[in-house]
Amino acid sequence: DAMVIQNPRYQVTQFGKPVTLSCSQTLNHNVMYWYQQKSSQAPKLLFHYYDKDFNNEADTPDNFQSRRPNTSFCFLDIRSPGLGDAAMYLCATIHKGTDTQYFGPGTRLTVL
Amino acid sequence: QKEVEQNSGPLSVPEGAIASLNCTYSDRGSQSFFWYRQYSGKSPELIMSIYSNGDKEDGRFTAQLNKASQYVSLLIRDSQPSDSATYLCAVRAKAAGNKLTFGGGTRVLVKP
Repeated sequence: DAMVIQNPRYQVTQFGKPVTLSCSQTLNHNVMYWYQQKSSQAPKLLFHYYDKDFNNEADTPDNFQSRRPNTSFCFLDIRSPGLGDAAMYLCATIHKGTDTQYFGPGTRLTVL
Repeated sequence: QKEVEQNSGPLSVPEGAIASLNCTYSDRGSQSFFWYRQYSGKSPELIMSIYSNGDKEDGRFTAQLNKASQYVSLLIRDSQPSDSATYLCAVRAKAAGNKLTFGGGTRVLVKP
């Protein structure tokens, strides 16, 4: 059974049209992460939640926002996608006091 | 600048041979070390974690850690075509809290 679920798996949007990606987890983990990964590059951390505490990376553009309405769900909002935002977006979770980070299957975002 | 470095490859290995992957890191405070496998278009999958100097074996995989020299390596014995993937090295420093720093990955090609 999938433990970290991301929807949709593939998302096509137009330049400047807002898009929301979702992540849900059945693990009851208290830490959730959003990464951006471009082709042949390392995953780049955008932000993470430790319970309800939001932690933004210093170089994450303001164009990227996130919401975590409860333990199970986390959303990534891209307010005005640009061509440079085309990437794989990965959600991951970890439980406090453990070391294993579980990744979801990712959402491939295409910006036209 | 804290970073994790890997040779991008591709590392071409004949089927049945040993693939040797290396990773160096700059933060001496690093405490946890991970190897993830990522197939093209898929999300990273944890294959090994190591915390202490020395070797750790799991099936055909062996991780080696040398904190004094600040490197961690992964050996894949009896390489199979299904091992063809990108291998990401990830490091967690105590000061970084819950965050992993990823290397750019080494692409491995196992040729039948």
